[in-house]
This record gives sequence, structure tokens and C-alpha cells, in this order.
Amino acid sequence: NAGVTQTPKFRILKIGQSMTLQCTQDMNHNYMYWYRQDPGMGLKLIYYSVGAGITDKGEVPNGYNVSRSTTEDFPLRLELAAPSQTSVYFCASSATTREFFGPGTRLTVL
Amino acid sequence: KQEVTQIPAALSVPEGENLVLNCSFTDSAIYNLQWFRQDPGKGLTSLLLIQSSQREQTSGRLNASLDKSSGRSTLYIAASQPGDSATYLCALAYSGAGSYQLTFGKGTKLSVIP
Repeated sequence: NAGVTQTPKFRILKIGQSMTLQCTQDMNHNYMYWYRQDPGMGLKLIYYSVGAGITDKGEVPNGYNVSRSTTEDFPLRLELAAPSQTSVYFCASSATTREFFGPGTRLTVL
Repeated sequence: KQEVTQIPAALSVPEGENLVLNCSFTDSAIYNLQWFRQDPGKGLTSLLLIQSSQREQTSGRLNASLDKSSGRSTLYIAASQPGDSATYLCALAYSGAGSYQLTFGKGTKLSVIP
């Protein structure tokens, strides 16, 4: 039981490049979330999903897209990377109210 | 909009001391409140979850309380140890954003000195 896994752990992008952050959970949780954490700040919700095929925007969705074709996977897509998207990205999942977090992806956009 | 504030931003204590971390929030219509621990370069680990109808939760040396009327929660750590050094975040779900969306504070960075 691996919990929530994220790949890659680190990535450097150039402005305008695109990439997908991968997130997989093996706990059969319906709810999945993407957060970003900037230095010295709390986490802010980007997108979330309440089940396969259903996604919705969080507090800071601009510049990102998500999809949820299976219960296990919830990838986050950056289409045109900008320096403002430099951050640490966390994926989480939950069955009810307690969320389980992945180890994070540290992204730098130069 | 819900605002979650954690004071102090950083705290340094000698080993063995009891300590209290504070979390305040502006909208009392919450579903639940969680305390998380975050180690450097790591993800978050949920420590305690208090439902809206509860006043406190305990796990080992940790005790979290919730007072919705005053918009406050505290995390009490007894007999602190160097291994408790980490950043502690409080987060809550409230009616204005949906029961499964968490709003986080900025955290308190705790250092326990041997």
C-alpha cells in the first residue's frame, strides 16, 4: 500500500513549456486534490475531484488543467509555464474528511 | 472569505517543555479542523481531526481543542522532544467552500532544542 505517489520529485521548466504532474493513489479514495505551497505560505487548492469524470476549480486554478479518467489517477497539466508557477505541488486524496498527502513535486520555472 | 491565522510563525523551546500552538479562523461555520505536521521537503501528515460537533481530540502527547464560538483551535504538545521539530499547519473545511475543501494557515515552525 503505497498511499499517494507523485512524479516527478523535481523539475525545471523554461517559460512557455508544458508538463504534466502525475498523481496516483491506491486507497480507492473518491476525493483527490491538487495544492500548491509557496515559501512561508499555507497550501492553496488548485483543483479537486469528487470522483472519476468529475473535477472542479479550487482557489487558484488559472494556468492549470486536470482530468480524472480513473479513480486512481489525477494528473495536473501546466500548458504554458510561467515563473509565478514556481512552487511545490502536493496531491492528496481522501475517502471522507481526513486527507492523505503525497511527498510533493518541486517545480521551478525559469 | 475564510482567513486562517497561526501564531506564532516560529517557536523554539527546550526539550521537555509543554507547548501550545494557536490557530484562529474568521468564519465559524466549519465542518471540521485538522492539524498537520510537515517535515522539511516532505508532504503533510494528518495528526488530529476535530469534527464541528467535538471540542477536542487526543493522540498520545498531542491534544487539539476547538472553540467555534471564539474561532480558535489549539494544539497542545506535552513533554516536547527533538523529533517534534517540524512545521505544524492547521486547516479547516467550512461551509463557504464546501465540506471537502481545506483552507490552510501558514503554519508554525517548531524547533525543540535538546
